[in-house]
Amino acid sequence: QSALTQPRSVSGSPGQSVTISCTGTSSDVGGYNYVSWYQQHPGKAPKLMIYDVSKRPSGVPDRFSGSKSGNTASLTISGLQAEDEADYYCCSYAGSYTFVVFGTGTKVTVL
Amino acid sequence: QVQLVQSGAEVKKPGSSVKVSCKASGGTFSSYTISWVRQAPGQGLEWMGRIIPILGIANYAQKFQGRVTITADKSTSTAYMELSSLRSEDTAVYYCARMTTVVNYYFDYWGQGTLVTVSS
Repeated sequence: QSALTQPRSVSGSPGQSVTISCTGTSSDVGGYNYVSWYQQHPGKAPKLMIYDVSKRPSGVPDRFSGSKSGNTASLTISGLQAEDEADYYCCSYAGSYTFVVFGTGTKVTVL
Repeated sequence: QVQLVQSGAEVKKPGSSVKVSCKASGGTFSSYTISWVRQAPGQGLEWMGRIIPILGIANYAQKFQGRVTITADKSTSTAYMELSSLRSEDTAVYYCARMTTVVNYYFDYWGQGTLVTVSS
């Protein structure tokens, strides 16, 4: 099972919006509505930002939103802030045999 | 408040084994699953396997089959990950992470990570 494909990096100015794509196959992203997104600051553990494609856990700002179309999921950060600078990983359920697969990761830079 | 607290950093020789622990507090340990995810230096996240404590059943990523063993001790709310036949490529930070139920497929709490260094 290959990792899901994400852009290596995206950037934006404070207040702008950025979108990170996460491309898989019909066996993972396209086959289930179980995509989650994680934010990871350097030296820290990942933090859940979005689950089940578009649901936000309590405490996550509503400037983070998720969506999916076909085999590609997306995370959008609106009103970019300095503290959003981090690595972001998508993750998808991929069936009972593979279970879950992570994306390659995207570095978000706030200019 | 759920917390997952992992054991400390390890330095191991190639060919040896390492066992990392993950102690949970808050919530009901037996009702959720614990996965192990690793991250090599400068690399992405990689799922290794999980255990369902209430059933005592573990399943593993194909890549690690035969080399990893995940167990859980319900009496101490602690999960363990043992990786054998270590090689330099196993140098990584190892995280435990919780899924709230058997059919929830996201990790809502993570341990702080344990650095395992494999070096001769």
